[in-house]
Amino acid sequence: DVKVTQSSRYLVKRTGEKVFLECVQDMDHENMFWYRQDPGLGLRLIYFSYDVKMKEKGDIPEGYSVSREKKERFSLILESASTNQTSMYLCASKISGTDYGYTFGSGTRLTVV
Amino acid sequence: AQSVTQPDIHITVSEGASLELRCNYSYGATPYLFWYVQSPGQGLQLLLKYFSGDTLVQGIKGFEAEFKRSQSSFNLRKPSVHWSDAAEYFCAVTNQAGTALIFGKGTTLSVSS
Repeated sequence: DVKVTQSSRYLVKRTGEKVFLECVQDMDHENMFWYRQDPGLGLRLIYFSYDVKMKEKGDIPEGYSVSREKKERFSLILESASTNQTSMYLCASKISGTDYGYTFGSGTRLTVV
Repeated sequence: AQSVTQPDIHITVSEGASLELRCNYSYGATPYLFWYVQSPGQGLQLLLKYFSGDTLVQGIKGFEAEFKRSQSSFNLRKPSVHWSDAAEYFCAVTNQAGTALIFGKGTTLSVSS
């Protein structure tokens, strides 16, 4: 069964810490995405990557960066975590050139204290 | 810019009753439309999608949706709801660049016995 795996289900970090959220897919997908999910706001796109070392800003990139050194792994980085970044983070991947077949991970719930 | 509106934040339906979840979109051309479901603690699962052709699309778990261009709508329906359908439902559209999904804010479905 194809999978998108997010390494942590729950994380608690302190304000000002550098935080890494990891996502790995085993489907050889070119495109990978990071979304943030908040109650009443739905899912909002933070960053996406259409290939190794390639990245594009989404709708809410401020305070975040990403890294994609290998095709299967897409990392979301919070350079200096703040309390307003407390949220659920969802990773997804899909085959390039298609508009279907998005596969989502189970999410990482990050709490910044 | 593209957008998706789900007018109902929360809906309660009796088990066995019919269901309709509303979705309106704003898009300049023919959109690619999706409905996803998220059960508590889980990632997103694709229920159905519309790209072109027949405006009534069938999905998994007995769901269907109808694309109405004149109303800019893509409402999700199910004739008889089961308690296991209680979840959060998201409507989504591909962004104009075709690079990512734009989500509505979601509708939470509760099922009463």
